[in-house]
Amino acid sequence: EAGVAQSPRYKIIEKRQSVAFWCNPISGHATLYWYQQILGQGPKLLIQFQNNGVVDDSQLPKDRFSAERLKGVDSTLKIQPAKLEDSAVYLCASSKSVLQETQYFGPGTRLLVL
Amino acid sequence: SQELEQSPQSLIVQEGKNLTINCTSSKTLYGLYWYKQKYGEGLIFLMMLQKGGEEKSHEKITAKLDEKKQQSSLHITASQPSHAGIYLCGPRLVGGGSNYKLTFGKGTLLTVNP
Repeated sequence: EAGVAQSPRYKIIEKRQSVAFWCNPISGHATLYWYQQILGQGPKLLIQFQNNGVVDDSQLPKDRFSAERLKGVDSTLKIQPAKLEDSAVYLCASSKSVLQETQYFGPGTRLLVL
Repeated sequence: SQELEQSPQSLIVQEGKNLTINCTSSKTLYGLYWYKQKYGEGLIFLMMLQKGGEEKSHEKITAKLDEKKQQSSLHITASQPSHAGIYLCGPRLVGGGSNYKLTFGKGTLLTVNP
């Protein structure tokens, strides 16, 4: 069974530029999560999708971050415009359902904003 | 948001020794996950605890959730170099909205010296 795929693995941008990350969850997994992990901290949930609907996005900075999962499969997280403090690893995870019995994480995208 | 508190922040043990990592919440947890992370990689699921008093084991790792569901411990017996990494506790995102306000602990960095 293929795991959660993320791309790109690394990204370096200038502040005020835009960036997008892509995630393809495990086949058949209805629930998808985006986390932000700043160096030295634990992951912080940004948004949770159930199929193509948003379950929770209370910690997503909506003035600059957006995420979509239009067809209920893969997902894109965008930052526009990026700030220095957005430098972090962006982790995508998926689970079979919102009951979240087991959550599988991708390798993450490491973003550096200069 | 409120962070789960982990202790210790780092731990260095000699191979073969036992060790314990703690995770504390100021609020009742509706379930908790333990993950392991190696630098530059995603999180690897270890165990999920849901019920107060629950205890689970996998190989030489045992995790418990206390009766009041506000603290969990992860115990490794006879540690090996392969146990080295960062151990993180994270909230299970079900059972009402309160767990959504919790973020992962900052992690415990475990080093096992041969």
